[in-house]
Amino acid sequence: AQSVAQPEDQVNVAEGNPLTVKCTYSVSGNPYLFWYVQYPNRGLQFLLKYITGDNLVKGSYGFEAEFNKSQTSFHLKKPSALVSDSALYFCAVRGYNTDKLIFGTGTRLQVFP
Amino acid sequence: ETGVTQTPRHLVMGMTNKKSLKCEQHLGHNAMYWYKQSAKKPLELMFVYNFKEQTENNSVPSRFSPECPNSSHLFLHLHTLQPEDSALYLCASSQGGQTYEQYFGPGTRLTVT
Repeated sequence: AQSVAQPEDQVNVAEGNPLTVKCTYSVSGNPYLFWYVQYPNRGLQFLLKYITGDNLVKGSYGFEAEFNKSQTSFHLKKPSALVSDSALYFCAVRGYNTDKLIFGTGTRLQVFP
Repeated sequence: ETGVTQTPRHLVMGMTNKKSLKCEQHLGHNAMYWYKQSAKKPLELMFVYNFKEQTENNSVPSRFSPECPNSSHLFLHLHTLQPEDSALYLCASSQGGQTYEQYFGPGTRLTVT
């Protein structure tokens, strides 16, 4: 069965510092991995995805994520955090031959000025 | 967020009422989805439609009834709901296929009294 774990409910970081939001997954076969962000009173917005190829994926708003097959992880990163990055971040995985996208429980990112 | 629109944005209904949620996508996508988002729980997939055909029903109670008249419109008909059905209901669309990301609407905040 597919599953996604986001081990941190909240991540706090100072503006200008690098940030990491962690995600690990479990899926049969090759995974398709996604990151989404949700601002208050809004739907989820797509940030980036890993399908195949280069393990470092670049996405919107300066975010990137690194796919690590041996550690079954897909951590979201940004070199320099902004206060406006404060939001709820969701990792999601879809396994081979399924329509279902399984989401993690979300990590709240708080960037302090 | 004009790609996927949802109406109404907020809905309060009694347990004996019948109401409908509407979703429209302007992206030319083939697949549409209903999700339920409750506090402190992972996003729950409810229904999936591909080319107007339902391809996934994630064990959703029959008091939720989806309808997909065409690839651009998706409805969720509600009747005799329970207070625990109060949540944010999100609609999404995608090009279909496992490698494509989903685009979300802003959601309908439903309160069942």
